[in-house]
Amino acid sequence: DIHMTQSPSSLSASVGDRVTITCQASQDIINYLNWYQQKPGKAPKLLIYDASNLETGVPSRFSGSGSGTDFTFTISSLQPEDIATYYCQQYHNLPPTFGQGTKLEIK
Amino acid sequence: EVQLLESGGGLVQPGGSLRLSCAASGFTFSNYAMTWVRQAPGKGLEWVSAISGSGENTYHADSVKGRFTISRDNSKNTLWLQMNSLRVEDTAVYYCAKGVDSAWSHWGQGTLVTVSS
Repeated sequence: DIHMTQSPSSLSASVGDRVTITCQASQDIINYLNWYQQKPGKAPKLLIYDASNLETGVPSRFSGSGSGTDFTFTISSLQPEDIATYYCQQYHNLPPTFGQGTKLEIK
Repeated sequence: EVQLLESGGGLVQPGGSLRLSCAASGFTFSNYAMTWVRQAPGKGLEWVSAISGSGENTYHADSVKGRFTISRDNSKNTLWLQMNSLRVEDTAVYYCAKGVDSAWSHWGQGTLVTVSS
């Protein structure tokens, strides 16, 4: 199985801050990497697909980059509604695997 | 509009069985592989099972292999997850999602399975 190492596991930032989360795959996954946002009691929501493509309807303050084994997710200017847990997920190989999540809080 | 609606969750004793359903609408169901993902209380996301659009090919996580079976009826636009020999560690919210080897842009609302004596 491909192991996804996501960091940090938690993050506290102020409104307006630039926030960055990283995800490292245990082997080359090319760009088969997605990012999801999950709010308490809700299903995950797709934000970024194929490492850098913004899902329709998702605000442009969200972005993703990377390829191979190293990936980055960025919120350019943190908003109060961005408080959630974020997950990376690879689908290069079965089984699809997730990072352990990053819980984002407002400082 | 794509909609996925899970049902069938509940409280079951260890060793028991449960069958989850996912009713799909708003897309051509038979054209898409489908996936089950679960989330234990306070934990992260774990892929459980997947099935091809035709239903010919199925895949299960090692943690559920031999105990869970994924299936579908394309005439009823319905996906199932038959869960046998349930364990305490299977306690989770179970989500169905559209697709497998792609981004999961559509998810159901989830159904809670609690395995406890």
